[in-house]
Amino acid sequence: KAGVTQTPRYLIKTRGQQVTLSCSPISGHRSVSWYQQTPGQGLQFLFEYFSETQRNKGNFPGRFSGRQFSNSRSEMNVSTLELGDSALYLCASSLVRGSQETQYFGPGTRLLVL
Amino acid sequence: EDQVTQSPEALRLQEGESSSLNCSYTVSGLRGLFWYRQDPGKGPEFLFTLYSAGEEKEKERLKATLTKKESFLHITAPKPEDSATYLCAVQGTQGGSEKLVFGKGTKLTVNP
Repeated sequence: KAGVTQTPRYLIKTRGQQVTLSCSPISGHRSVSWYQQTPGQGLQFLFEYFSETQRNKGNFPGRFSGRQFSNSRSEMNVSTLELGDSALYLCASSLVRGSQETQYFGPGTRLLVL
Repeated sequence: EDQVTQSPEALRLQEGESSSLNCSYTVSGLRGLFWYRQDPGKGPEFLFTLYSAGEEKEKERLKATLTKKESFLHITAPKPEDSATYLCAVQGTQGGSEKLVFGKGTKLTVNP
């Protein structure tokens, strides 16, 4: 079974630009969560999508947004990029069949903002 | 607010020298406590999920245990390939979401 895939793997942008990252979950998984990982803050929750609806959102500014499509694939968008947005962006998917679920992570997209 | 604290931040071991990593947590209601391993430049790799106090799980040289306030990841006779950052995360019952709250991790180095 294929794992979680994320594209692109690496990205370089300049301040003020916007970026869109993509995540394809494990086949059959309906929940997709996004996390930002930086050396100082560690892994921080951005948001979660389930059945095309945002189910939870972390403490990030409105410049960070996302969406989920009917095939469970998800995209994350960051507008007006700032230097501090440089990070590893991780996507995780889970089956959500009951109350005990495991999230499986993709390899991440490394974003560098210059 | 759910919180996770991992200690130590970094740990150096000689090959074969057993030790334990600690994960202390506060959560309004625990759905699950997760251990992941992360290698440099890669996404976290799932190791274990623990759901209730007293539960234990093992995989090769790793054993995870859970109490009401903390979890331990015991590493028995580690090998250099066990070198990685080990992350602990909790999932609470509030919000009906899959959100994980992570600790900052323990960076383990095993020297041959």
